[in-house]
Amino acid sequence: DSGVTQTPKHLITATGQRVTLRCSPRSGDLSVYWYQQSLDQGLQFLIQYYNGEERAKGNILERFSAQQFPDLHSELNLSSLELGDSALYFCASSPRDSEKLFFGSGTQLSVL
Amino acid sequence: GQNIDQPTEMTATEGAIVQINCTYQTSGFNGLFWYQQHAGEAPTFLSYNVLDGLEEKGRFSSFLSRSKGYSYLLLKELQMKDSASYLCAVLQAGTALIFGKGTTLSVSS
Repeated sequence: DSGVTQTPKHLITATGQRVTLRCSPRSGDLSVYWYQQSLDQGLQFLIQYYNGEERAKGNILERFSAQQFPDLHSELNLSSLELGDSALYFCASSPRDSEKLFFGSGTQLSVL
Repeated sequence: GQNIDQPTEMTATEGAIVQINCTYQTSGFNGLFWYQQHAGEAPTFLSYNVLDGLEEKGRFSSFLSRSKGYSYLLLKELQMKDSASYLCAVLQAGTALIFGKGTTLSVSS
């Protein structure tokens, strides 16, 4: 158990809908990262937050947004969902910047 | 940007040694990580190299050459449970850890 908690574990929804994925980092970790993993693209970096502020941005679509709250948990919001958004979404945390990541067990999103 | 290349698949037998290579092109290199990921599970940390040379940790070792943009992960005394994907990831200044597409290793008896 990495100590990073993600909910829900599975999510099934329809195209055009909006969903929210939640992540609680390890106790004491200030950095939260979101990754998307699909079979053909591998693990793609979406966005990083550090102590409530956006720190780095990767290949995140404009339909996607995230935030980190004062208690350091983070949410990833996915809107206007398309079939191609079906993937495993991982959250990871680290104590500070530029350190090894601890991954949650992921949220499997299926868009039908 | 970054370009990280590693073989898609490898096979080996129990007890053998396997070397998984990773080449990368990046600017502002801050370190290279190897992660293991079993199917449907979260990636787990294996090793970290920031200086040239070999880091050994039990049955697993990782090597880095910054001038060549090259790393490898060496797995010794392979076991069936080592069947997994092995992800090479590069830390570049100003961004988060960027992963290669991974190498799926199949270990047979």
